[in-house]
Amino acid sequence: QKEVEQNSGPLSVPEGAIASLNCTYSDRGSQSFFWYRQYSGKSPELIMFIYSNGDKEDGRFTAQLNKASQYVSLLIRDSQPSDSATYLCAVPPPGTYKYIFGTGTRLKVLA
Amino acid sequence: DAGITQSPRHKVTETGTPVTLRCHQTENHRYMYWYRQDPGHGLRLIHYSYGVKDTDKGEVSDGYSVSRSKTEDFLLTLESATSSQTSVYFCAISEGGGSYNEQFFGPGTRLTVL
Repeated sequence: QKEVEQNSGPLSVPEGAIASLNCTYSDRGSQSFFWYRQYSGKSPELIMFIYSNGDKEDGRFTAQLNKASQYVSLLIRDSQPSDSATYLCAVPPPGTYKYIFGTGTRLKVLA
Repeated sequence: DAGITQSPRHKVTETGTPVTLRCHQTENHRYMYWYRQDPGHGLRLIHYSYGVKDTDKGEVSDGYSVSRSKTEDFLLTLESATSSQTSVYFCAISEGGGSYNEQFFGPGTRLTVL
């Protein structure tokens, strides 16, 4: 089992809808979780991070963390065509200097 | 944007030749990372550094070596390039390196090994 799993997609949503992206992780001791957005041909850029159970909101983005179930989600409200990208989930193993990345979910927002 | 540059940005080489990729940062961050990104595999860690002359292996380190003689530079070397090393290579930096520190990525190097 891969340590960080994401559905590769593509996930297609209409413009204005809510896009829901999910990530599961295997290390129950993981403490922090990062969401990166990567446009085609570009480098990943940080969207959000979350450390505590529950929701964290930043503009149109909401990260949701459920440590008991070992999943973290990213919701994008009022999706725009410019949100079309690959979204990467990253989870640092406890006590290490590194991240483990999921394979990413490709999101397509249809105008 | 974090001050990270990678050189070269594109390279085509032949099997068996040595290749060195350079990552340069102006942020004075302690931690630096080399990843490769391939379709279906996402970002995979090759090597990382937690200080000058301090490096460690990642999950796909075979066939790669690294060096860090200065805080600002982290070099990735393919001693004898193979076609399986055709990929996009990203460098990343982090101030703290631990679980609560974000990583910033460079623009990437597209390497093709013929």
